[in-house]
Amino acid sequence: NAGVTQTPKFQVLKTGQSMTLQCAQDMNHNSMYWYRQDPGMGLRLIYYSASEGTTDKGEVPNGYNVSRLNKREFSLRLESAAPSQTSVYFCASKGAKDWPLHFGNGTRLTVT
Amino acid sequence: QKEVEQNSGPLSVPEGAIASLNCTYSDRGSQSFFWYRQYSGKSPELIMSIYSNGDKEDGRFTAQLNKASQYVSLLIRDSQPSDSATYLCAVSAGGNNRLAFGKGNQVVVIP
Repeated sequence: NAGVTQTPKFQVLKTGQSMTLQCAQDMNHNSMYWYRQDPGMGLRLIYYSASEGTTDKGEVPNGYNVSRLNKREFSLRLESAAPSQTSVYFCASKGAKDWPLHFGNGTRLTVT
Repeated sequence: QKEVEQNSGPLSVPEGAIASLNCTYSDRGSQSFFWYRQYSGKSPELIMSIYSNGDKEDGRFTAQLNKASQYVSLLIRDSQPSDSATYLCAVSAGGNNRLAFGKGNQVVVIP
């Protein structure tokens, strides 16, 4: 099983450029999440989608937008990238009732 | 106040010893508690989940939960070099719709 698939794995952007991080899950999960991880900061929630058609802000939403395209896919968009958005981004999903979170392999983003 | 606190610095333990990790949380309504292990450059992987007060054992790992004190811990018995990783405490929040993570504790097992 593929589980949670994130693309791309690596990306380098220049300040002001835009890009979309893609995430897809094949486990029929209702809820999907985007986290960022910075050294010494743990995982911080950017946005989440508790079910298809809904999205909510997490701890650090500024500078990001999300789209729950369908039940499988949840994308994260950076409209105007900033160096402060240099990070590792993880997508995760979970089923309707039960934890735990299942993580993708991450996207390492560098903004210069 | 942070939702989940892991305050201990890096932990070095000799091979075969017990590693002890602690975590506190702020939301008394939290219902689900997890420990994830993360190797450098990899994604977090679940190693323990606990939902009720007391101890839960799985192989060399024991999770302990005390809801009255809002405290979760993880014990790693007979530590092995392969246990060297960062351990993340995670607690359900926001009406059980999301997980809040602590900053993590690095464990180094010395052969």
